Amino acid sequence: AAGVIQSPRHLIKEKRETATLKCYPIPRHDTVYWYQQGPGQDPQFLISFYEKMQSDKGSIPDRFSAQQFSDYHSELNMSSLELGDSALYFCASSLKGNRQSTDTQYFGPGTRLTVL
Amino acid sequence: AQSVTQLDSHVSVSEGTPVLLRCNYSSSYSPSLFWYVQHPNKGLQLLLKYTSAATLVKGINGFEAEFKKSETSFHLTKPSAHMSDAAEYFCVVSILTGGGNKLTFGTGTQLKVEL
Repeated sequence: AAGVIQSPRHLIKEKRETATLKCYPIPRHDTVYWYQQGPGQDPQFLISFYEKMQSDKGSIPDRFSAQQFSDYHSELNMSSLELGDSALYFCASSLKGNRQSTDTQYFGPGTRLTVL
Repeated sequence: AQSVTQLDSHVSVSEGTPVLLRCNYSSSYSPSLFWYVQHPNKGLQLLLKYTSAATLVKGINGFEAEFKKSETSFHLTKPSAHMSDAAEYFCVVSILTGGGNKLTFGTGTQLKVEL
């Protein structure tokens, strides 16, 4: 079965540079979530999109932005990178549809961002 | 506010012995709870989920968890540990929002399996 695809898998950037992470959800999934997992930390929710509209926002810095495109893939744009941005960034997708209930999130393998 | 507390940061068992990873939740209403596993340098894999159906939930790889409302617990168990079970395990609660649901993770339990 197709899974969530994230690219790149590894990314090395210098301080103050920008980075773009991409996420391709499971086919027919309509919701995308982004999480950040710092070294030795649990994943923290950043932002989510449902049907190409931002649906919820967590602890996402103002330097970061994200969007979901017409084909449902999503991109996380990170500017003015700081050393503390070094982390594993996960994307998850789910099929919410019109249900008012919990949908199961399936995670991609993550993008490991290292800021030097 | 909803949250989960994983009571042990590290658990060590011998291969072939039972596994118990403890999780307590805090929720103002009936929660949706999940267990995810993360192997070293890998992504998060869903083990099982509870969404107010049967209180005993069976997952993949022989894992199961029991939702106990009276104890506000959702402990993960496996009768017999295998070396390949060594990983980090996250207990997760789902918070339903207008556009979907966001997950709040516990701090994780590192499971070590010894010969």
